[in-house]
Amino acid sequence: DIQMTQSPSTLSASVGDRVTITCRASQSVSNWLAWYQHKPGKAPKLLISKASSLEFGVPSRFSGSVSGTEFTLTISSLQPDDFATYYCQQYNSYQFGQGTKVEIK
Amino acid sequence: QVQLVESGGGVVQPGRSLRLSCAASGFGFNNFGMHWVRQAPGKGLEWLSFIWFDGSNKYYADSVKGRFTISRDNSKNTLYLQMNSLSAKDTAVYYCARDQGVALDYWGQGTLVTVSS
Repeated sequence: DIQMTQSPSTLSASVGDRVTITCRASQSVSNWLAWYQHKPGKAPKLLISKASSLEFGVPSRFSGSVSGTEFTLTISSLQPDDFATYYCQQYNSYQFGQGTKVEIK
Repeated sequence: QVQLVESGGGVVQPGRSLRLSCAASGFGFNNFGMHWVRQAPGKGLEWLSFIWFDGSNKYYADSVKGRFTISRDNSKNTLYLQMNSLSAKDTAVYYCARDQGVALDYWGQGTLVTVSS
């Protein structure tokens, strides 16, 4: 099975900060990786698919990139609405990363 | 608009069974594969199962293989998850989600399953 290692598990940041979350796959998944935002009591929300394709309606401060088997989600300027938990998911066998909780510093 | 509404959750005793449903509306249900994902208390998202648009192929996580069965009724626009031999480790919020081909693009609000005596 393909394993996804997501880091960090928790991130403390302030409004306006640039935030980076990383997901590393144990083997190649090409660009079959998605990023989701999840808030308590809500349905997860798809942000990015195919490593770097921003979903319609998602703010442009979110971006995704890939280098080999390392995938990155970047929030260029953290906004109050962005405090949430973020997950990567590889779309070969659908495993999720462990999640990154973005907290207020 | 696309809507997915899960139901069937509740409190169930260890060893018993439960069937979850996911009612879909606002899109051509019979054109899309569907998934089940869960989140145990204090834990992350865990992918459970995927069924093709026509029900011809099904895939499961090792943690539920042999105990859970995914199915669908395209005439009723409904997805199911039959869960057998439940244990406390299966306590979680269960979500259904639509397969976009490269990601899960729409999710339901989830239904809580609590396995407890």
